[in-house]
Amino acid sequence: QQQVKQSPQSLIVQKGGISIINCAYENTAFDYFPWYQQFPGKGPALLIAIRPDVSEKKEGRFTISFNKSAKQFSLHIMDSQPGDSATYFCAASKNTPLVFGKGTRLSVIA
Amino acid sequence: DTEVTQTPKHLVMGMTNKKSLKCEQHMGHRAMYWYKQKAKKPPELMFVYSYEKLSINESVPSRFSPECPNSSLLNLHLHALQPEDSALYLCASSHPGNNYGYTFGSGTRLTVV
Repeated sequence: QQQVKQSPQSLIVQKGGISIINCAYENTAFDYFPWYQQFPGKGPALLIAIRPDVSEKKEGRFTISFNKSAKQFSLHIMDSQPGDSATYFCAASKNTPLVFGKGTRLSVIA
Repeated sequence: DTEVTQTPKHLVMGMTNKKSLKCEQHMGHRAMYWYKQKAKKPPELMFVYSYEKLSINESVPSRFSPECPNSSLLNLHLHALQPEDSALYLCASSHPGNNYGYTFGSGTRLTVV
């Protein structure tokens, strides 16, 4: 049973555009929602994370939007750059190992 | 130090070999994890150690044997692996019960021949 559903599976965005990746979760007990960025051959790196007591968190060009009632959260990458091309994983947890979405492969083209 | 260090970075082993993967962190994290990641898939949890004790074993075959000698070190002993065990093996650490700062290493790329 997949507890975190992520979409789209792949995404192509023009340089300077906005990349949007969405995740939905089922377990209402989850209280921590991170996004990880992974480049080929490397481990996932924590990009940004949010707790459900806020609806939005911004760090530089990266923003998480969180909708507790809909049990959804999303990652927005503003002014997308070719260097942002990577696989992005959303995750969720509550005092347990992270549950990952299936990942989104983002390609930013010039 | 905010890193999780994994060695070796690459490993090729035969199906009859015995090898070990090593993971080290000095962030004071008392939970450490082994994950297996296949290409184009999310990390798949294998084992969890909390305060140096094995707390979760996700029904991993016995040819994978974890060990946590102290609060900074985590090993994964490999024996009689199969070609389908070829994958990126990731170590991660965090504070038990607090996943903020859950940090991954760069992984060991394992190829079983």
